[in-house]
Amino acid sequence: AAGVIQSPRHLIKEKRETATLKCYPIPRHDTVYWYQQGPGQDPQFLISFYEKMQSDKGSIPDRFSAQQFSDYHSELNMSSLELGDSALYFCASSWRTSGPASRETQYFGPGTRLLVL
Amino acid sequence: AQSVAQPEDQVNVAEGNPLTVKCTYSVSGNPYLFWYVQYPNRGLQFLLKYITGDNLVKGSYGFEAEFNKSQTSFHLKKPSALVSDSALYFCAVRDQEDDKIIFGKGTRLHILP
Repeated sequence: AAGVIQSPRHLIKEKRETATLKCYPIPRHDTVYWYQQGPGQDPQFLISFYEKMQSDKGSIPDRFSAQQFSDYHSELNMSSLELGDSALYFCASSWRTSGPASRETQYFGPGTRLLVL
Repeated sequence: AQSVAQPEDQVNVAEGNPLTVKCTYSVSGNPYLFWYVQYPNRGLQFLLKYITGDNLVKGSYGFEAEFNKSQTSFHLKKPSALVSDSALYFCAVRDQEDDKIIFGKGTRLHILP
């Protein structure tokens, strides 16, 4: 079965640089979520999109922005990178349009490991 | 505010023995409860969930979890552990009105051969 695809899988950036992470949801999934997992930490919710509109917002820094495109893929844009942004960034997707009960399982991608030097 | 507690940082179990990974939760309304597993340098894999219905939920790889509303617990169990079950396990909760999943701190499970 197709899974969530994230690219790149690994990324190395310098402080103050920008980075763009991409996420391709499972086919037919209409909702995308972004999470950040620091070293030895649990994943923290950043932001989500449903049908190309922001759906919920968590602890996403103002330096970060994200959007969902017409083909449902999503991009997380990170500017003025800091050392503390080094983390594993997960994208997850789910299918919401079948009704509230469908908002149940988020399927996660393999993550993008970002290292800021 | 939603929260999840996994009281054990690490659990060691001998191969072939039953295993339990503990989880308690706190939500304002009816919870959606999940277990995910993370292998080294890998993403989060969905194991099982409780939404409504039977309190005993069966999931992938022979895992099951029991929802206990009075104790606000959702412990993960498996009757006979395999070495390949060694990984980091996250309990998670989602309020019906929220998109975000709140994860516990994770429990590292070591299955000893």
